[in-house]
Amino acid sequence: QSVLTQPPSVSAAPGQMVTISCSGTSSNIGNNYVSWYQQLPGTVPKLLIFDDNKRPSGIPDRFSGSKSGTSATLGITGLQTGDEADYYCATWDSRLIVVVFGGGTKLTVL
Amino acid sequence: QVHLVESGGGVVQPGRSLRLSCAASGFDFSNYVMHWVRQAPGKGLEWVALISFDSTIKYYADSVKGRFTISRDNSNNSLYLEMNSLRTEDTALYYCARAILGESLDAIDHWGQGTVVTVSS
Repeated sequence: QSVLTQPPSVSAAPGQMVTISCSGTSSNIGNNYVSWYQQLPGTVPKLLIFDDNKRPSGIPDRFSGSKSGTSATLGITGLQTGDEADYYCATWDSRLIVVVFGGGTKLTVL
Repeated sequence: QVHLVESGGGVVQPGRSLRLSCAASGFDFSNYVMHWVRQAPGKGLEWVALISFDSTIKYYADSVKGRFTISRDNSNNSLYLEMNSLRTEDTALYYCARAILGESLDAIDHWGQGTVVTVSS
C-alpha cells in the first residue's frame, strides 16, 4: 500500500485533457515538493515535473503540475497516443524520512 | 551526456548477498545526490535508498533498512548497493538514478537502464 494514493487508471480521447491526482498527508505532499514521472512501456521513468510545477528542459508545456494542500495533480493537454504510459508521483516524507512514490496511474488514450 | 550503467544483478538464493554497482559518466558525480530505485515485475516504482554527494547522509526504505547499504566512490564515479539477507520480495529491476541539483530529494532527472535481481531458491 503506497503512502501516496493515485487512481489505478485514467483514460481520455486523443486531443482531450486528462488529470491524474496524487493524494498524501501533511508529512509528505503537504510540506514538500512533488515530482511526476512518465514510464512508457518497456522504458525507464522520465521526469516530467519537479518542485510541484516546474518542467525540466525538453518537456512540452502540455504537461503541467499543481498542488493544493495535501494533494497534487498532473495535467496533460492535447493527448496523443504516445502519451499512453504509467505515471507516478513522488515526494519526500518528513515523518518517515524516506522518498515515497505513488502506486502509479495507467493512462489510456482511447 | 549523462550515463548511468548498472551491473551486478543476477539470480541468488534467499538469505544470500549481492552487490550492485553503477558507473556514472558525463557529469560531475561528486556534486549529486544519488538514488537506488527498484521495480518488481509488473509493479510500480519503489524507492530504495539515497546517498548525499559526500556520503554523510544516507536514507533507506523501511523494507531494506538494516539489510542494504548504499555507498559511493567519488574518485571512481561509482555508486554501490550492498544487499544482504536477500528475500524473494527483493526480486526487481534495480535502477541507479541521479537527483537534480537542488533541495528536492525526490526529483530524479536521470536513470540507468537497470540491473535485474532475482531472489529464488
